[in-house]
Amino acid sequence: SQQGEEDPQALSIQEGENATMNCSYKTSINNLQWYRQNSGRGLVHLILIRSNEREKHSGRLRVTLDTSKKSSSLLITASRAADTASYFCAHRLMDSSYKLIFGSGTRLLVRP
Amino acid sequence: DGGITQSPKYLFRKEGQNVTLSCEQNLNHDAMYWYRQDPGQGLRLIYYSQIVNDFQKGDIAEGYSVSREKKESFPLTVTSAQKNPTAFYLCASSLQGDYEQYFGPGTRLTVT
Repeated sequence: SQQGEEDPQALSIQEGENATMNCSYKTSINNLQWYRQNSGRGLVHLILIRSNEREKHSGRLRVTLDTSKKSSSLLITASRAADTASYFCAHRLMDSSYKLIFGSGTRLLVRP
Repeated sequence: DGGITQSPKYLFRKEGQNVTLSCEQNLNHDAMYWYRQDPGQGLRLIYYSQIVNDFQKGDIAEGYSVSREKKESFPLTVTSAQKNPTAFYLCASSLQGDYEQYFGPGTRLTVT
C-alpha cells in the first residue's frame, strides 16, 4: 500500500505548548503537503515541501522532510485553542499522475 | 470571491437510487478531484481530472462516475452499484498536479 502513516493518532496539549505530528511514507515522492481539517469541514492547505527541501516555515508552523527516512514532521509552536483540528499529511508520488496519498491524520486537541 | 463550492451540504437518498454531487470552482484550476472520507479516516481518491474532457480513476472508483465537460465543473454520481455509499465527499482543485489542492466544504451523503 502507498498510504502514509501518521503518528500520533491523537494528541492533547495545553494552550501555549508545542505540538509535533509525524508522518511516514513508503516510496519516492515529488512533494509532501500538510492540511488541516476542522470537524465536518473541508481541508485547508498549510504547507507544501518539495523533495529537495529539508525545512519550511509558515508563521507558527514548521515542517521538516527527511527523504532518507521517508518521514516528515509538523511542529505547531505556542498552540492556541483555535488550533484544535485534524492534521493530515499527503504525499505526491514521483510518477506523472496527479494523485495525492493522504495519511489517516492526527487529531489535535488544545486545551484552554 | 474565488473558491470551490459543493452542494448540497447534506444529502439523503434511498438505497438503489443514483445521486449526483455538485462541485464548482472559479479558481481557473485545471485539475479537479473527488475524495471520500469515512469517520476517523483519511481521504481516499475516487476520481481525478487533469483537464477538461479527461479523467482518471482513483483508488476507489467502483460504483462512481464523473464527467468534466467544463473546466469549472466536476460532478460526481454515486450509483446504486456502490456498496457502501454513506460517507463525507470532498471535492478539490489545483492549478496543476504539482500544486496544493483547494477543498470545498464537502457533502455528507446518507443512504438508507
